[in-house]
Amino acid sequence: GQQLNQSPQSMFIQEGEDVSMNCTSSSIFNTWLWYKQDPGEGPVLLIALYKAGELTSNGRLTAQFGITRKDSFLNISASIPSDVGIYFCAGLSSGTYKYIFGTGTRLKVLA
Amino acid sequence: DTAVSQTPKYLVTQMGNDKSIKCEQNLGHDTMYWYKQDSKKFLKIMFSYNNKELIINETVPNRFSPKSPDKAHLNLHINSLELGDSAVYFCASSQDFLGVQGNYGYTFGSGTRLTVV
Repeated sequence: GQQLNQSPQSMFIQEGEDVSMNCTSSSIFNTWLWYKQDPGEGPVLLIALYKAGELTSNGRLTAQFGITRKDSFLNISASIPSDVGIYFCAGLSSGTYKYIFGTGTRLKVLA
Repeated sequence: DTAVSQTPKYLVTQMGNDKSIKCEQNLGHDTMYWYKQDSKKFLKIMFSYNNKELIINETVPNRFSPKSPDKAHLNLHINSLELGDSAVYFCASSQDFLGVQGNYGYTFGSGTRLTVV
């Protein structure tokens, strides 16, 4: 079945650093979502992208819908300790009624 | 008020038992989902109901049976529990069945950690 690969799988960064992660697929998607999951909680929606090339920000977070429609990117600027968690991308392709979730990027911030 | 609430938060049970997980959403959404998150944190959809009608039924053992008495509730009953059923089960809801209305995507509950021993 379809699979979304996220990179990197995990990362340790220093507080204040910028973070970049991406999500790639062999299939084309019409919508991309980015979620964050804190330990013991469900994923929470961060950003939604609906058009190829779209760039959307939410505070220190910026996400982009790749031009090829097969990838998406998430950047976090000036990371803080509470950015710790697992970041998931999710994609929706045409003709389907379900989002496919990525494999997740685990972020750990060192104070 | 919690938007999507699941009960129980933790469930420890023996192999072979039957158990249920309940989910309720107070967002007025039309569509509800059950997702399973395994030990590697991979999220996989199991079922989806839109206005009480089943619209997604992934390849899930028949031992798993969802029930939606109304569009605000989606329960999951599991028969003859097996060790491999141990996981975190998430309920989610969306305004429409594509989850693209407005900027909402899916709203997830906080999960039910099921441990089968």
